[in-house]
Amino acid sequence: AQSVTQLDSHVSVSEGTPVLLRCNYSSSYSPSLFWYVQHPNKGLQLLLKYTSAATLVKGINGFEAEFKKSETSFHLTKPSAHMSDAAEYFCVVSDPMIKAAGNKLTFGGGTRVLVKP
Amino acid sequence: DGGITQSPKYLFRKEGQNVTLSCEQNLNHDAMYWYRQDPGQGLRLIYYSQIVNDFQKGDIAEGYSVSREKKESFPLTVTSAQKNPTAFYLCASSPTGTSNSLLYFGPGTRLTVL
Repeated sequence: AQSVTQLDSHVSVSEGTPVLLRCNYSSSYSPSLFWYVQHPNKGLQLLLKYTSAATLVKGINGFEAEFKKSETSFHLTKPSAHMSDAAEYFCVVSDPMIKAAGNKLTFGGGTRVLVKP
Repeated sequence: DGGITQSPKYLFRKEGQNVTLSCEQNLNHDAMYWYRQDPGQGLRLIYYSQIVNDFQKGDIAEGYSVSREKKESFPLTVTSAQKNPTAFYLCASSPTGTSNSLLYFGPGTRLTVL
């Protein structure tokens, strides 16, 4: 079975300081990993994805994430937070070895980011 | 302008009533999904459909029903059998139903049972 743990339910940062959102996963082999962002009362938007190419993945809005197989982690970072980054972020794992029909994604519980001026 | 639309944005229901949430996509995607979102629990899959006239139960299908009569439409009915229906419901689609196919989400419907 696959699982995703987002280690912080809430993160508070000051504008202009770095953001780190932590995600650990459990999966059988070579998973696909995603980060999605959700602004209040909106749908989810894809930030970035990892699908066994480069381990450092760059996404939209200055975010990036690094896949570390030895640590089973896929932490999301941004060097300098902006007020518009205030949202909820979801780490998602998809295990291509699972022979289930359909899109078998597992979502983390989410990390809510607060950006202080 | 391609995308996924959900309606209504807010929906109120009395206990014991069935209610249907609309989801339409013009992306020509084969697969469509319904997720339920509760605070602090991430998203949980209710139903999904990989092709017209076929759909499968997700992890929390009890108390819900769906249909897929057209490629672009995947309505979700929340029945009176659903014990705790108040939640935010998200519809999504993907080009195919494979496990690494990207999901595109609609804006969501917030359902409140009075």
